[in-house]
Amino acid sequence: DGGITQSPKYLFRKEGQNVTLSCEQNLNHDAMYWYRQDPGQGLRLIYYSQIVNDFQKGDIAEGYSVSREKKESFPLTVTSAQKNPTAFYLCASSEMATNEKLFFGSGTQLSVL
Amino acid sequence: GQQLNQSPQSMFIQEGEDVSMNCTSSSIFNTWLWYKQDPGEGPVLLIALYKAGELTSNGRLTAQFGITRKDSFLNISASIPSDVGIYFCAGGSGGGADGLTFGKGTHLIIQP
Repeated sequence: DGGITQSPKYLFRKEGQNVTLSCEQNLNHDAMYWYRQDPGQGLRLIYYSQIVNDFQKGDIAEGYSVSREKKESFPLTVTSAQKNPTAFYLCASSEMATNEKLFFGSGTQLSVL
Repeated sequence: GQQLNQSPQSMFIQEGEDVSMNCTSSSIFNTWLWYKQDPGEGPVLLIALYKAGELTSNGRLTAQFGITRKDSFLNISASIPSDVGIYFCAGGSGGGADGLTFGKGTHLIIQP
């Protein structure tokens, strides 16, 4: 079945540590996105990529980094510069950059030890 | 940036009741999308609306694109236990998902 796979489901970060969240899709979608979700809040865009080897900052990119070396993969690194990383992180994809219908993965819950 | 006001924040209803929720904005949107999120999972698209005044159904769900283009409504008829979750609206410019603005969600709780 086609879809988006995020791993791990739960992740713990020690202070000063960088951690990487995985996102893989087999939908053959061009565009991929990372969102942060805090309790009782809407989704906030961290980074997005409309095509391989290109990505753009979203509304809250500080303290995060991404890469898009393959069409299927869009990993997110939460760096030590992100002082409040505890949140639910959602990866999504859309068929084309101009298509607003998002397909989401099942999320990664990141917590700080 | 643009903001969406989604209401109510939470709803406590009895099984079998009809549900109504809405999103409003001071800005005009060209598209409206409604998503449902189960606990610990990612949102799933329910309905997408592309034209002012459009009324679209998906089973027991019906959504409308407000005629002013500043609001949208979602109705659920004859609620069942699996309807529990958080419902999000999103307004878009029509230019891509990077331009979507999400509401804060309506938490639907069904009492037995």
